[in-house]
Amino acid sequence: DTEVTQTPKHLVMGMTNKKSLKCEQHMGHRAMYWYKQKAKKPPELMFVYSYEKLSINESVPSRFSPECPNSSLLNLHLHALQPEDSALYLCASSQGQGRTEAFFGQGTRLTVV
Amino acid sequence: GQNIDQPTEMTATEGAIVQINCTYQTSGFNGLFWYQQHAGEAPTFLSYNVLDGLEEKGRFSSFLSRSKGYSYLLLKELQMKDSASYLCAVRDLGNTPLVFGKGTRLSVIA
Repeated sequence: DTEVTQTPKHLVMGMTNKKSLKCEQHMGHRAMYWYKQKAKKPPELMFVYSYEKLSINESVPSRFSPECPNSSLLNLHLHALQPEDSALYLCASSQGQGRTEAFFGQGTRLTVV
Repeated sequence: GQNIDQPTEMTATEGAIVQINCTYQTSGFNGLFWYQQHAGEAPTFLSYNVLDGLEEKGRFSSFLSRSKGYSYLLLKELQMKDSASYLCAVRDLGNTPLVFGKGTRLSVIA
């Protein structure tokens, strides 16, 4: 199994809603990442979890709240988002934060209305 | 700081060869990666270079020169399905995650 699975694939939410994005991998990877990608732009790193601990937060607003319940799962909790937060949210994992490639999930296309 | 530079757009003909260049300036270096991304889809890993030289994988090859801070991705026998964005990404020293360049949008035409 070399997949990173993200759910849902598409999400439309209002600015007062609370929703969660989910990511799962069963490759035994110990580093997991959230990236945000706007159209025609490269992925921008948001958060990194290493061995289930938050190791990097790229100054992301608190309306985005990551959670790593166990080594296979990574969530991103969303609350009080703005329309400019609409983007493709990508989850990725790698064996460690070291010299291995990252495997990406298919992403969640988020629209905030 | 980190700076990764690649051309914004390129066009090439089906069956031809295209070279996509990437230059980088980082405080450290622990590997350079190339990813392919079709519109609306996730990036998929293509290649990894950490030592100088050429890595070949089928129709795709990637080259690295660490002293010049330079890499290229070479695509041979281009197919229409190769139309995509190609992202150059660099890992700094230590346990830092990938930093992506802005990507090169390649259009393959008949």
